[in-house]
Amino acid sequence: RKEVEQDPGPFNVPEGATVAFNCTYSNSASQSFFWYRQDCRKEPKLLMSVYSSGNEDGRFTAQLNRASQYISLLIRDSKLSDSATYLCVVNRNDYKLSFGAGTTVTVRA
Amino acid sequence: SAVISQKPSRDICQRGTSLTIQCQVDSQVTMMFWYRQQPGQSLTLIATANQGSEATYESGFVIDKFPISRPNLTFSTLTVSNMSPEDSSIYLCSESRGHTEAFFGQGTRLTVV
Repeated sequence: RKEVEQDPGPFNVPEGATVAFNCTYSNSASQSFFWYRQDCRKEPKLLMSVYSSGNEDGRFTAQLNRASQYISLLIRDSKLSDSATYLCVVNRNDYKLSFGAGTTVTVRA
Repeated sequence: SAVISQKPSRDICQRGTSLTIQCQVDSQVTMMFWYRQQPGQSLTLIATANQGSEATYESGFVIDKFPISRPNLTFSTLTVSNMSPEDSSIYLCSESRGHTEAFFGQGTRLTVV
């Protein structure tokens, strides 16, 4: 089983739509969780950390369910600039990160 | 935020040759990592670059194929040795501050012909 598994997408949505996707992780001892964004031919960059209580950053909302070992990301009011691959990332408790394969989102005009 | 400079940004190499990728961080960091991202896939950790000692390799990666240097707390190199077309990939260096954000270099896009 992969350490981190994600909805592969692609999600193709119109501007203004809401899109949500999940990932699951296998290591129940993981402590830190993140969503990274990777644009085509670019390096990954942190979008947001994910906290147990859930957290919001503008149009982005992340949720963590430790019991079910899944993490979600919701994007409201999608913009064209939100088109990217979103990587679910889990800290392995040895300061190393495990990456999901990514969920591709395309926002169309 | 950390600034990581990685070079070269891309290269096309003949099979059987070796390429060394350099990664420079703008501040001293304890932990540096090297990843591979094959086309259409996510990042796979190759090894942790340890300052003053040998790198720690993940399963499936060996020092003879991917020798790593870490001479100080701001610099590391990864060499891809005896390359074959299967080594065509993006290679990324990263520094991580434990359980917080990780920063990445811009990546090296390697094509082996």
